Amino acid sequence: DTAVSQTPKYLVTQMGNDKSIKCEQNLGHDTMYWYKQDSKKFLKIMFSYNNKELIINETVPNRFSPKSPDKAHLNLHINSLELGDSAVYFCASSQVPFGGGATDTQYFGPGTRLTVL
Amino acid sequence: DAKTTQPTSMDCAEGRAANLPCNHSTISGNEYVYWYRQIHSQGPQYIIHGLKNNETNEMASLIITEDRKSSTLILPHATLRDTAVYYCIVRVGGLRDDKIIFGKGTRLHILP
Repeated sequence: DTAVSQTPKYLVTQMGNDKSIKCEQNLGHDTMYWYKQDSKKFLKIMFSYNNKELIINETVPNRFSPKSPDKAHLNLHINSLELGDSAVYFCASSQVPFGGGATDTQYFGPGTRLTVL
Repeated sequence: DAKTTQPTSMDCAEGRAANLPCNHSTISGNEYVYWYRQIHSQGPQYIIHGLKNNETNEMASLIITEDRKSSTLILPHATLRDTAVYYCIVRVGGLRDDKIIFGKGTRLHILP
């Protein structure tokens, strides 16, 4: 069974288009994330949602809009795609207990390779 | 910014133990050491984590120095499938705005 799944796996599109990437987790986790891995292989966090609430929003253009319809899903919508958006986008999830002190593990999806032409 | 320092790359013969070092000299008392790896074209995969005691699971062992300023991930019998980039990360964990900051990692090559 796939714990964290993403669709599509590959996405090729023209500059200026709007596209969405979907993510679903069946782990019962409360928190989901979006990461971007660029051509130099640096992996950087973009967003984090906890119980459908945005809790981390790194410096990301507002063309990127995450949407969490429920705890198990976190979709990423990108408007007006640019060449620099080409990258691999990873979704992840974790169980985040409040109160601090506890440890946690993030589980990653297989990634979506976005190519903007 | 990442709070850890790792060698850029390492080689290890298949069947031997792979020892991957990590320096985290500024680690604070409540920060855990985590290890993830990323096999080519796949998402990062959790390996192991620890606070101050040495840890072992089915994948690896984690040795943390007494002063906690460095640690070593040990893959006891490396196979070709262990070829990947290994990331050493320090984080508090369990906080509402918790996030993993990935550094450059160590590219481990397992040689046949």
